[in-house]
Amino acid sequence: EVQLVESGGGLVQPGGSLRLSCAASGFTVSDNYMTWVRQAPGKGLEWVSVLYRGGGTYYADSVKGRFTISRDNSKNTLFLQMDSLRPEDTALYFCARGTSGRFFDYWGQGSLVTVSP
Amino acid sequence: QSALTQPPSASGSPGQSVTISCTATSSDVGGYNYVSWYQQRPGKAPKLLIYEVNKRPSGVPDRFSGSKSANTASLTVSGLQAEDEADYHCNSYAGGNSWVFGGGTKLTVL
Repeated sequence: EVQLVESGGGLVQPGGSLRLSCAASGFTVSDNYMTWVRQAPGKGLEWVSVLYRGGGTYYADSVKGRFTISRDNSKNTLFLQMDSLRPEDTALYFCARGTSGRFFDYWGQGSLVTVSP
Repeated sequence: QSALTQPPSASGSPGQSVTISCTATSSDVGGYNYVSWYQQRPGKAPKLLIYEVNKRPSGVPDRFSGSKSANTASLTVSGLQAEDEADYHCNSYAGGNSWVFGGGTKLTVL
């Protein structure tokens, strides 16, 4: 059974950093492309970043230069390093598995990040 | 990155059909057949409903169907049931290794 479990969220001050983790089971992270999607309170979904099988990484303009997506193949885990956090980064962050059809077939339950003084 | 526009709300009575639209501000939706729809119940993760415009994953009832015309994609829920009450999000691959979501539509079953 495919499962994705996020962790690492919490309360952080503006300008601070957090690293989110997404532990996968039931499939191999490095055999797929993986993505992060966030949802601000009461808002819609926003695509954040993607990590391809070959290691290529891409980001939404809103986080480019501040967030870094990566993976640890030995732990079958995806990460999102978030630096220079801003109040507008406050959101529930989901990791999801991508498919060749450019859609996301499995999602984690999310990890809440709150950026506030 | 451009946006996808969805109506903030939609509603229907049990047994009726409801269609939710998803309109691109540019050619993001029209240029690709990579439109997907996700259902999200309160406090839950999004769940894949439709992919590649009109395909359903196994386990999704055939009451859910998708279509696309020019720059507008649509999700139709037929034979509405109480359990269909949820938020629905459209998504499209936007090229340049990026994706875009709509703002989400809250579906109420009256």
